Amino acid sequence: GDSVTQMEGPVTLSEEAFLTINCTYTATGYPSLFWYVQYPGEGLQLLLKATKADDKGSNKGFEATYRKETTSFHLEKGSVQVSDSAVYFCALRRDRGSTLGRLYFGRGTQLTVWP
Amino acid sequence: KAGVTQTPRYLIKTRGQQVTLSCSPISGHRSVSWYQQTPGQGLQFLFEYFSETQRNKGNFPGRFSGRQFSNSRSEMNVSTLELGDSALYLCASSSGILQLPTNEKLFFGSGTQLSVL
Repeated sequence: GDSVTQMEGPVTLSEEAFLTINCTYTATGYPSLFWYVQYPGEGLQLLLKATKADDKGSNKGFEATYRKETTSFHLEKGSVQVSDSAVYFCALRRDRGSTLGRLYFGRGTQLTVWP
Repeated sequence: KAGVTQTPRYLIKTRGQQVTLSCSPISGHRSVSWYQQTPGQGLQFLFEYFSETQRNKGNFPGRFSGRQFSNSRSEMNVSTLELGDSALYLCASSSGILQLPTNEKLFFGSGTQLSVL
């Protein structure tokens, strides 16, 4: 079945350090891929997305490239800030039939950035 | 434009009781999905409603049910609560339009934190 595996963490970095959170997926067909972020006490916010192979999603300095050959969608940021401290979720969606409202999530990665 | 609104924000119930959670989607959105978030299982899909009909269902027991009203607001109900039902319940709204290729995005509410004692 469809699933997402991501680095569980926690990840602790100093401000301005480079961030990578690994995400790999298993799915039939050609899913869309997403990164969501959850700040304490809040719901999930869409960070970025990619809908086909080799697409690069980017937002707020974060980037992720849809790699079909390695079934991966790793999240990167060149210089993290304290305000990036949150839980990050990788997710996939099967873009067919009536499944557009259903996401399959990874377990989440807690990121803490120290000043 | 108002976001997705979930009420109540917190709930405390005891085993055996039932509970109803409410979700108001973004204006114009016709699809509402529900997710359960726990430390042990992570985020799991419960069900999706579109135009008052359940369109998709996850792997949860029949104690978990939902409905959607003509104004797209949705409720989910959990009957005979168990300790393991303690979780953050998130709802997400989207346009619900099934058109490929799609630019469909899910917008999440802040959730209802349910504690079962």
